[in-house]
Amino acid sequence: AQKITQTQPGMFVQEKEAVTLDCTYDTSDQSYGLFWYKQPSSGEMIFLIYQGSYDEQNATEGRYSLNFQKARKSANLVISASQLGDSAMYFCAVSIFQGAQKLVFGQGTRLTINP
Amino acid sequence: DAGVIQSPRHEVTEMGQEVTLRCKPISGHDYLFWYRQTMMRGLELLIYFNNNVPIDDSGMPEDRFSAKMPNASFSTLKIQPSEPRDSAVYFCASSLLGELFFGEGSRLTVL
Repeated sequence: AQKITQTQPGMFVQEKEAVTLDCTYDTSDQSYGLFWYKQPSSGEMIFLIYQGSYDEQNATEGRYSLNFQKARKSANLVISASQLGDSAMYFCAVSIFQGAQKLVFGQGTRLTINP
Repeated sequence: DAGVIQSPRHEVTEMGQEVTLRCKPISGHDYLFWYRQTMMRGLELLIYFNNNVPIDDSGMPEDRFSAKMPNASFSTLKIQPSEPRDSAVYFCASSLLGELFFGEGSRLTVL
């Protein structure tokens, strides 16, 4: 079974600083995907970024990048130049392939951006 | 293009009552997932469908929970009878080629 660990229950960062949200995962599968989602206070789940286990380059989407270290089973999210609107819960998730695409989520990190 | 649509957005009911949550996935998506979110347990996968067929319901907490997907554009999650510990936000999500798109969730409160 897959397991996701997000060790930072909460983080406080000054606006415009970069922030790294930690995520480690445990899976015995060779083919898997890593996702990050943002959940603002309004409650919706917003997809941010995806990394496939066979992708050699780290994924980037605008201010978001995924620091993928396969050997360490680590998939940290880096947000550059943080903004007040980045304050939210952030969830890391892993999915296995083989005809199934279910995501297993970590417990989340609550990020607060201070002005 | 419309996203995943869930209804109701909020439901308050009394213990013992039947609750039905509804979901319309994004057109063309072949996977549909039901998740439950609570403070204590985080996001839990309850069940998921592929091409309207239930694939894995191992996350369904007990027999009081049931889910159906009669066609590609509609799914229901039913709780009967409901209990206070069922209070949570229930998310429906659909996917095609891996990326999950979530609905806005249905917040259930069982008194």
